[in-house]
Amino acid sequence: AQKITQTQPGMFVQEKEAVTLDCTYDTSDPSYGLFWYKQPSSGEMIFLIYQGSYDQQNATEGRYSLNFQKARKSANLVISASQLGDSAMYFCAMREGIDSWGKLQFGAGTQVVVTP
Amino acid sequence: DVKVTQSSRYLVKRTGEKVFLECVQDMDHENMFWYRQDPGLGLRLIYFSYDVKMKEKGDIPEGYSVSREKKERFSLILESASTNQTSMYLCASSPRQYGYTFGSGTRLTVV
Repeated sequence: AQKITQTQPGMFVQEKEAVTLDCTYDTSDPSYGLFWYKQPSSGEMIFLIYQGSYDQQNATEGRYSLNFQKARKSANLVISASQLGDSAMYFCAMREGIDSWGKLQFGAGTQVVVTP
Repeated sequence: DVKVTQSSRYLVKRTGEKVFLECVQDMDHENMFWYRQDPGLGLRLIYFSYDVKMKEKGDIPEGYSVSREKKERFSLILESASTNQTSMYLCASSPRQYGYTFGSGTRLTVV
């Protein structure tokens, strides 16, 4: 069964606007971590932000913030003030438990295109 | 900064060939991973290793094997390449329980 679901295959956003990328997850483990990665057209995967299941506050990193709604099992990424360089594929990922050897499970990704 | 290096950016191989994809990391990480990335499917775990000579199957190990003789190097082997193994292959490493550092990927085409 799919553990990470990203329902938006692609989206357009205008420069300087905010964009929200959806991510829902499925786990019965109380201990887990949620990650977002960015993949530009060059192919490298760039770590953006992390949220632990026990973290009390939503994670933020510069223009990136994570809207963590634990009861809904959602971990949406918000990019504020979009820039042309934000055009990329974005992946949500989850690590379950403390004995998982750090394995990450990824969603299918959302392609973001920022337009002038 | 941690660096994960994949030996080839692009590879073209013939059906039936034995293919080696090499990955080296320079930060003494315990864990290393091989994923393949296909459009609409995201990244799927092929194999991972949590120590030298230790390996575990991921979600899609069929048709692949791995080798980890030294801590810094994790090799993915396609014993007999097939066209359905045409994909982007991503290597990653991490210390225990933290996020990954990825290599830049190898785009493999099997003809």
